[in-house]
Amino acid sequence: KAGVTQTPRYLIKTRGQQVTLSCSPISGHRSVSWYQQTPGQGLQFLFEYFSETQRNKGNFPGRFSGRQFSNSRSEMNVSTLELGDSALYLCASSQPPSARGYEQYFGPGTRLTVT
Amino acid sequence: AQKITQTQPGMFVQEKEAVTLDCTYDTSDQSYGLFWYKQPSSGEMIFLIYQGSYDEQNATEGRYSLNFQKARKSANLVISASQLGDSAMYFCAMREGTQGAQKLVFGQGTRLTINP
Repeated sequence: KAGVTQTPRYLIKTRGQQVTLSCSPISGHRSVSWYQQTPGQGLQFLFEYFSETQRNKGNFPGRFSGRQFSNSRSEMNVSTLELGDSALYLCASSQPPSARGYEQYFGPGTRLTVT
Repeated sequence: AQKITQTQPGMFVQEKEAVTLDCTYDTSDQSYGLFWYKQPSSGEMIFLIYQGSYDEQNATEGRYSLNFQKARKSANLVISASQLGDSAMYFCAMREGTQGAQKLVFGQGTRLTINP
């Protein structure tokens, strides 16, 4: 079974631009979550989508948005980029609960650099 | 709000020794889940082990075990017979939110270095 894939892997943008990141979950997984990882703030939850609906949202400004498509693929968008948006953006998909609980499987991440 | 604390920013261990990575948590929820993830330098988060709050036995996955002490609110990861490939960042995390909602709250991580 293929793992979670994220594209692109690396991205360089300038301040003020916008960016769209893509995530394809593991086949059969309907929940997709996004996290931002920075050296200063660590790993922070952005939002979660399930069946095309945002089910949970973290404490980020409205410049950060996302969506999920009917095939469970998800995109996140950051508008009006700021230097502080430079981070590793991780996507995770999860399966229905099992004896091992709600495991989240992460993709390799997209490293965004804003200059 | 839930909180995860990892008090060891870095640890250095000799190969083949056992290592314990500390994690304490704070929550008022009765039902919660605790996770450990490994993050190599490549960046990908690798799931290691899960412990549910109602699980009576400590979770084990191969060389990984979770020392769950509910009353003390601790969920330490134990790696037996460490290997050079275990060198990485390790994150403890807690599932927050209603059942089904997938939001993980992470600790700051511990950088583990295995010396030959």
